Amino acid sequence: DTGVSQDPRHKITKRGQNVTFRCDPISEHNRLYWYRQTLGQGPEFLTYFQNEAQLEKSRLLSDRFSAERPKGSFSTLEIQRTEQGDSAMYLCASSTNMNILHFGPGTRLTVT
Amino acid sequence: DAKTTQPPSMDCAEGRAANLPCNHSTISGNEYVYWYRQIHSQGPQYIIHGLKNNETNEMASLIITEDRKSSTLILPHATLRDTAVYYCIVRGTSARQLTFGSGTQLTVLP
Repeated sequence: DTGVSQDPRHKITKRGQNVTFRCDPISEHNRLYWYRQTLGQGPEFLTYFQNEAQLEKSRLLSDRFSAERPKGSFSTLEIQRTEQGDSAMYLCASSTNMNILHFGPGTRLTVT
Repeated sequence: DAKTTQPPSMDCAEGRAANLPCNHSTISGNEYVYWYRQIHSQGPQYIIHGLKNNETNEMASLIITEDRKSSTLILPHATLRDTAVYYCIVRGTSARQLTFGSGTQLTVLP
């Protein structure tokens, strides 16, 4: 059973650089979610895809953030002109229905 | 979605039952109660969910009060590997996403 995978697991970047993260959901899951989690807090919702359509975006998703899911399979999350406040764990989850989300291990971003 | 209140931390002795409370006094009729947990440096993991009736699976039991204003997650025989942050989430059927609070840090002591 292959779960949700995320790449890379860790990323260190300098302020102002662009970064891109990848998420591969469980293969039959048509729904995909991105969350962000900072130290000591619960995950915060960023955006949601059903197949290739991005159906919901949080106000946390500023214009420096963009997410895609071009063929309804894997997804990418890009952050442009990174800031130190972007340092966080970025979590991807997938589901077949709205009940049970399966989360990946996350990508830990550190902006120096 | 209704707001939930959980204690920030709890301890439990290994082998004993861990009872994690959650208050959701503003829950509405079509909202489910979900529990997830997050072991350090991992993504959250689904445990169990329910609407009105008590539920049990291989991981835990969920007890929901008759008025649905609170619930308790029970880990019947806690092990050291159950040390994690436990999140209680209330979610309506039309909601597209889960809204996490701060959860309860459960520490299972040897």
